[in-house]
Amino acid sequence: GAVVSQHPSWVICKSGTSVKIECRSLDFQATTMFWYRQFPKQSLMLMATSNEGSKATYEQGVEKDKFLINHASLTLSTLTVTSAHPEDSSFYICSASVRGRGGETQYFGPGTRLLVL
Amino acid sequence: GNSVTQMEGPVTLSEEAFLTINCTYTATGYPSLFWYVQYPGEGLQLLLKATKADDKGSNKGFEATYRKETTSFHLEKGSVQVSDSAVYFCALRMNTGFQKLVFGTGTRLLVSP
Repeated sequence: GAVVSQHPSWVICKSGTSVKIECRSLDFQATTMFWYRQFPKQSLMLMATSNEGSKATYEQGVEKDKFLINHASLTLSTLTVTSAHPEDSSFYICSASVRGRGGETQYFGPGTRLLVL
Repeated sequence: GNSVTQMEGPVTLSEEAFLTINCTYTATGYPSLFWYVQYPGEGLQLLLKATKADDKGSNKGFEATYRKETTSFHLEKGSVQVSDSAVYFCALRMNTGFQKLVFGTGTRLLVSP
């Protein structure tokens, strides 16, 4: 249980185009989903927190107009990188949180590698 | 603010060696502590967790004990395998209200046959 999927797993696009990444919780409902960015050999940087039916909360320094997040249902959140540029090339990882008896646990997707040419 | 410090890697071991990856934290209260593992080209997987002092999390032969007195959550395994080669992230999250995960910088483990 507690499987999170991402699609696509990798994408190559031209500079100036927009790319949408989907994050789905496959066997549970997640009221909160998170989007992270990971640079090579570095830790995860939280970009934004997404709650179903409401606007995402962005971390300081993350451009909300650049990284559009939509959390349309309890099982789906999307991240759209608008007008992508080479510096947006990175590994994007989503996670979904589940609240249980042991507290809250985040389950991570497999990540999406974006390369902007 | 809250933070997590991990030992720098890479940690290079031979198969069946004993593993310790150090993790210490700084927090204003009493967080939950986690170890995540990231295999090459993949996202993070929860390896184990502990939610209060003296708890021991364990999974797949890995263990970590929540030590409040030393603010530590060191990861150990008695006998590593080549398949354990990955990056290991220590993380904390405060238990009051909604709090985000705070990650350490990760420690790469390389296990050779």
